[in-house]
Amino acid sequence: DIQMTQSPSSLSVSVGDRVTITCRASQSITDYLNWYQQKPGKAPQVLIYGTSGLQSGVPPRFSGSGSGTSFTLTITSLQPEDSAVYYCQQSDTAPYTFGQGTKLEIK
Amino acid sequence: QVQLVQSGAEVKKPGASVKVSCETSGYTFITYDINWVRQAPGQGLEWMGWINPRNGKTGYLQKFQGRVTMTRNTSVNTAYMELSSLTSEDTAVYYCARVVPIDYYYFMDVWGKGTTVIVSS
Repeated sequence: DIQMTQSPSSLSVSVGDRVTITCRASQSITDYLNWYQQKPGKAPQVLIYGTSGLQSGVPPRFSGSGSGTSFTLTITSLQPEDSAVYYCQQSDTAPYTFGQGTKLEIK
Repeated sequence: QVQLVQSGAEVKKPGASVKVSCETSGYTFITYDINWVRQAPGQGLEWMGWINPRNGKTGYLQKFQGRVTMTRNTSVNTAYMELSSLTSEDTAVYYCARVVPIDYYYFMDVWGKGTTVIVSS
């Protein structure tokens, strides 16, 4: 199975900051990488698909990049509602594994 | 609009089975795969498997092989996930999610609200 590792596990940032979350795959997944946001008590929601595709309705302050085994999710001009846990997921090879999550807290 | 409505919370004893349903609406059920994902309390997301509603084909995470069965009923646009031989480690929220393609990229675009399954003696 492909292992997905995110860093950091948590971070605390201020409104207006720029945030970068990293996701690494244990083997190449080309660009088959999705990012999800999960708020407490809610189901996850997709933000980014295929490494850099912005899902409809997602604010453009969210962006993704990378290829192969290393990927990043960037949030520019952080907003209070961005407080959540973020997960990467590979969709290259079943089982379609998730990273362990990154908890983003707003100071 | 597209909706996935899951069945209600369950409390089961160790060794029992649970069957969670996921009723879909707002789109043609057989067009898109359904994935099942679970989340233990305070933990991350765990992908469990998939079902193709058109032909019933399934794929499961190895750790669940022999214990999980994913099925569907196309007459009521509903997918099901049954997990047997429950232990306390199966206590979790279970989600169903629709998988859609854009270009060659597949992702879960609509999720159910989740079904809480508690396993306790």
